[in-house]
Amino acid sequence: AQTVTQSQPEMSVQEAETVTLSCTYDTSESDYYLFWYKQPPSRQMILVIRQEAYKQQNATENRFSVNFQKAAKSFSLKISDSQLGDAAMYFCAYRSASGRAQKLVFGQGTRLTINP
Amino acid sequence: ETGVTQSPTHLIKTRGQQVTLRCSSQSGHNTVSWYQQALGQGPQFIFQYYREEENGRGNFPPRFSGLQFPNYSSELNVNALELDDSALYLCASSSGTSGTNEQFFGPGTRLTVL
Repeated sequence: AQTVTQSQPEMSVQEAETVTLSCTYDTSESDYYLFWYKQPPSRQMILVIRQEAYKQQNATENRFSVNFQKAAKSFSLKISDSQLGDAAMYFCAYRSASGRAQKLVFGQGTRLTINP
Repeated sequence: ETGVTQSPTHLIKTRGQQVTLRCSSQSGHNTVSWYQQALGQGPQFIFQYYREEENGRGNFPPRFSGLQFPNYSSELNVNALELDDSALYLCASSSGTSGTNEQFFGPGTRLTVL
């Protein structure tokens, strides 16, 4: 079974600074997807960024980028120019590219605080 | 376009009771997945419904059951509630079961079992 580990329960950063959230995963599969989701205090989970394992290029979405190291099974999220609205729980998630149900396997989350 | 909605927002039940949670999928989506998120934890997959059939199940006992209706809305039923069932229940809809289909989450139902 696949597992996802987020070793940083809490992180904080000054507004406008850069922060990196860590994620490692374990799988024997070669084809899969990795995600970072944001869950603000209002609770609705929002997709931040997605990476396909077959792509070597790291995904980027505006101020959000990832460092995908397939051999090391590492998938970190970098947030540049942090804003107050970035404060939330961040979850790393894995999804197999095969199988019947496209279930997401989540890590335990990192609570990100932005200091003004 | 209407997003994923869930009802009720909050629910309080006592141990041994039964509960039904509801999810309306986003327009055009035929797949609904349910997740349980205990306090301070990441969501855990309960099951998925695709075109009214269960399409996969996580490590949850049979007292967790579900339905999907012709309009692709879905219900999660939990019988014989236990204290550990207290959690935020999330549903997510997508336009298929392919790995490329993004799952869109609802705001969740907070269930408290006393």
